[in-house]
Amino acid sequence: NAGVTQTPKFQVLKTGQSMTLQCAQDMNHEYMSWYRQDPGMGLRLIHYSVGAGITDQGEVPNGYNVSRSTTEDFPLRLLSAAPSQTSVYFCASSRNSGRGGSYEQYFGPGTRLTVT
Amino acid sequence: KNQVEQSPQSLIILEGKNCTLQCNYTVSPFSNLRWYKQDTGRGPVSLTIMTFSENTKSNGRYTATLDADTKQSSLHITASQLSDSASYICVVTPGAGGTSYGKLTFGQGTILTVHP
Repeated sequence: NAGVTQTPKFQVLKTGQSMTLQCAQDMNHEYMSWYRQDPGMGLRLIHYSVGAGITDQGEVPNGYNVSRSTTEDFPLRLLSAAPSQTSVYFCASSRNSGRGGSYEQYFGPGTRLTVT
Repeated sequence: KNQVEQSPQSLIILEGKNCTLQCNYTVSPFSNLRWYKQDTGRGPVSLTIMTFSENTKSNGRYTATLDADTKQSSLHITASQLSDSASYICVVTPGAGGTSYGKLTFGQGTILTVHP
């Protein structure tokens, strides 16, 4: 299994440009999430999905869109990039099982995005 | 607001020494508490997951403890190695199971540096 894969690894955008960060998992996991990680802060949830066709907002959803048309893929779209979206983005996936919600969560390698 | 606070922010130790990292949380009720290791430039990797009814969990040289009464957890690393240099992140899941997905609260992490 490749696990959770993310592309691209690095990206530079100009303010106002749009782009899609790709995330795929081959573990047949129901749950998938997008996080951003900024210096000195914990990971913050952007959007998440509990299954194909189902998405919901996390803590910091503004400026981002997601869709989940298949179990495997969960792309994150930046509609109009802003410097405040400069960050490292992580995708994660997990099963919807585990005693007490203790499902194992697997993270991708991250995409480092710079918006100028 | 649910919070997870980690201390110290950073720590430097010599190879072979032990260390303990702290996590205090205000999330209540909570379902489980996780510790992740994040190497520079990589995604977080799970070390331990403890449900609210567990008070210790080991993974090799890593031992996590949990005191649900005081809302404190610690991660003890024994006989540190250079490869232990990383950020260690405490994560708390609120509520009671699957419906809590998407509400994980991340600490800001403790950066551990192990010197030879």
